[in-house]
Amino acid sequence: GAGVSQSPSNKVTEKGKDVELRCDPISGHTALYWYRQSLGQGLEFLIYFQGNSAPDKSGLPSDRFSAERTGGSVSTLTIQRTQQEDSAVYLCASSYTDEQFFGPGTRLTVL
Amino acid sequence: GDSVTQMEGPVTLSEEAFLTINCTYTATGYPSLFWYVQYPGEGLQLLLKATKADDKGSNKGFEATYRKETTSFHLEKGSVQVSDSAVYFCALSRYNFNKFYFGSGTKLNVKP
Repeated sequence: GAGVSQSPSNKVTEKGKDVELRCDPISGHTALYWYRQSLGQGLEFLIYFQGNSAPDKSGLPSDRFSAERTGGSVSTLTIQRTQQEDSAVYLCASSYTDEQFFGPGTRLTVL
Repeated sequence: GDSVTQMEGPVTLSEEAFLTINCTYTATGYPSLFWYVQYPGEGLQLLLKATKADDKGSNKGFEATYRKETTSFHLEKGSVQVSDSAVYFCALSRYNFNKFYFGSGTKLNVKP
């Protein structure tokens, strides 16, 4: 079956612009995670959705970052007024049990 | 807070060499421990896991044992292959897997 998909695969934007990153999880997976992977760094947890519960937003680095998950499926991560330090690979993962399945990521470059 | 520390890379080995990638963790309670692998050009995928102390996770010739007394989960393989070249991430999760903490990753290069 289809895995986790993310779009776009690459995004180049100018400083100050808003961007939206999309994640399509595996059908039936109740949990969805967003991470950020900066060059040479590990995965930084951003936000977690589980079913209909309130999301765990504790990892969002600033109020410029927000995410939503519509209908318990597709998720969008929005970064407003992008800064150069936002440049990274943004990874989405979904799970039903304790194993996360990762998407290929979106590489964001802020000029 | 919870955290994972793993050895810095890159690690360069010759084919058939023995591999150890160290991973230690800080967490209260009893976390579950994981190793994920990211092959070149691919997404992260679960390699192995252990959910309680003294458990040994294994897959594809890799092993890791959950050592609570040393808060460690070191990854080992007796004989690496060129195809094992990848970045390896150690991770932990508590509270019913609502949040995962990943290490910084260790890049492994295996030369023929």
